Order: sequence, then structure tokens, then C-alpha cells
Amino acid sequence: AQKVTQAQTEISVVEKEDVTLDCVYETRDTTYYLFWYKQPPSGELVFLIRRNSFDEQNEISGRYSWNFQKSTSSFNFTITASQVVDSAVYFCALSEEVDSSYKLIFGSGTRLLVRP
Amino acid sequence: ETGVTQTPRHLVMGMTNKKSLKCEQHLGHNAMYWYKQSAKKPLELMFVYSLEERVENNSVPSRFSPECPNSSHLFLHLHTLQPEDSALYLCASSQDWEVDEQYFGPGTRLTVT
Repeated sequence: AQKVTQAQTEISVVEKEDVTLDCVYETRDTTYYLFWYKQPPSGELVFLIRRNSFDEQNEISGRYSWNFQKSTSSFNFTITASQVVDSAVYFCALSEEVDSSYKLIFGSGTRLLVRP
Repeated sequence: ETGVTQTPRHLVMGMTNKKSLKCEQHLGHNAMYWYKQSAKKPLELMFVYSLEERVENNSVPSRFSPECPNSSHLFLHLHTLQPEDSALYLCASSQDWEVDEQYFGPGTRLTVT
């Protein structure tokens, strides 16, 4: 079973629409970390956010917001009023303890296309 | 100076060649990573170095050989690669190697002919 599932392979929206990218994770640990990264066409992944498992507060940063729900093992990412520059592949990742060290596991990514 | 730089950005090599990928980080981080990104596959962690010591090696074939001479530089030496090794190779760094966010370079697009 996948540890990090991003069921949406590709999403296409028109500029100014809101869009939510889903992320569901699987872990038996009580202490773990969740991340979102953005990969624009230029290639480098850009860190967006890190959450630890003890902090379920939702986070808002400008047009970006994250909804962390332990009850459903989800860490969804919403972009409000999307812009063309938001077009990228977005990766959700989980860092959990494996053999006394933490391992970062990426989902397969969601490609977001924002059309003008 | 950009946080994490990688050279070259593009590389085409034959199966019998030997080449090296270079990564440099200017963030004062202690950990560095090599990832492989193939089409339609999740990112695969290849190697992790913490304070110049290899701490992770995820069953990577020996035709990939990492080197970390200091905490700012990371190399990936390539020899006798296969066409299926064609991919985007990403370098990243983080303050420490376990749970900190990672900062990525732009990657080297490798094509093996």
C-alpha cells in the first residue's frame, strides 16, 4: 500500500478558481511530519510547508492554506484564486521513523494546470 | 548566490562513459541528498549524507557512486549506465538530516544513449 497517496494525477482550472489538492497518508507512528513541495517547470522542488503530527492547526499563507486532519489521515492543500504561475506539480510527503531514523516518502504528485 | 546549485543542467552520455554530477549548497546545511525522478514515478531517494558521512543508501546500483568531500559539496559519479537510468537527478540539502525541510537544486536532466 502506498504511504502517501495523491489520487489526483492532474487538475485543470481556470484562473481565479479555488482548487484543492488531496493528500492521504498512512503511518503507524504517533510522531511524523508532513510536507508539501511545488515543482514548477524549471525543475527544482520548492518547499511550501512542514507540519508535525502534534499540530493539527490549519495554516494559511497568503492564497495557500492547508487542512490537516488526523482522523482521516489527510493533509490537503488549497489554493484560493489560482493564478497561472501556480501551474506546477505539487508533491505531498511524509517523514516517519524507520529503523531509528526518519525517512521522507513522496507521493506521486498532482499536476496543476491553471489556464488564463 | 542561489541556495542549491547543480551542474551540469543537462547531460547526454553513452553507456560506456564516466561522468559526474555536482551539487553545491550555500545554506550552511549539514545534510545533503540525491534523488532520482523518472517519468511517472515518485521521487526516489538514492543517498543521504549527514556531516559528510553517508547515512542512507537505498539499494542503489553500484554504477552510481556518491562522494561528499565536505558539507557544501556532493557528487554523483556515474559509470556504465543503462538507458533506464535516464531521469532528472535532484540534489537537496537540509539543516539536519532527519525531519527538516529540504531545499532542492534545479536538477540534472540525464539521458543515457
